[in-house]
Amino acid sequence: SQQGEEDPQALSIQEGENATMNCSYKTSINNLQWYRQNSGRGLVHLILIRSNEREKHSGRLRVTLDTSKKSSSLLITASRAADTASYFCATDGGGGADGLTFGKGTHLIIQP
Amino acid sequence: DTAVSQTPKYLVTQMGNDKSIKCEQNLGHDTMYWYKQDSKKFLKIMFSYNNKELIINETVPNRFSPKSPDKAHLNLHINSLELGDSAVYFCASSQVRGELFFGEGSRLTVL
Repeated sequence: SQQGEEDPQALSIQEGENATMNCSYKTSINNLQWYRQNSGRGLVHLILIRSNEREKHSGRLRVTLDTSKKSSSLLITASRAADTASYFCATDGGGGADGLTFGKGTHLIIQP
Repeated sequence: DTAVSQTPKYLVTQMGNDKSIKCEQNLGHDTMYWYKQDSKKFLKIMFSYNNKELIINETVPNRFSPKSPDKAHLNLHINSLELGDSAVYFCASSQVRGELFFGEGSRLTVL
């Protein structure tokens, strides 16, 4: 069954604005990760936040995690046209070598 | 050097045929995966291999079979292709509980 659910499904903003995407999940997790997928390309890892962390930063990215609400958010500040892509959250809830469970993604369009 | 490479990038074939997609990683990772991405971009894990042992099989039809000749390779064989198999298939690798490194995808079209 699908674990992560991103919200919104699509988001269009002007270049320079901030973009916020949300992710909800259903079961307990070890960590939550965000990935970006450009059109026709593979997914690229952006950031990982562990279940005992509440916030993490990487460049223009800020991720928060609220395990009590089973939700996470990804904030991209000062957006650029090159940020146009689909963004997925993925949860690692299993043990050993279990794979990640991905949400349906948010398609972000940055208008120049 | 490409970290995770998969071939072919595009594959067009007729229903009922058998096809394979190859994947190789040069990252020294212990685990490799196959994911299927449908037309709505939903990603579903199909298999993972850790040290040549199948870890996950997410209710995938037995027409799909992963084959791993060594730790750096995980190939996907598909028998008796059906229209519903049309999708983009991604290979990925990772260390245990680490980030996934994805290949560029193989777009399979079944006619």
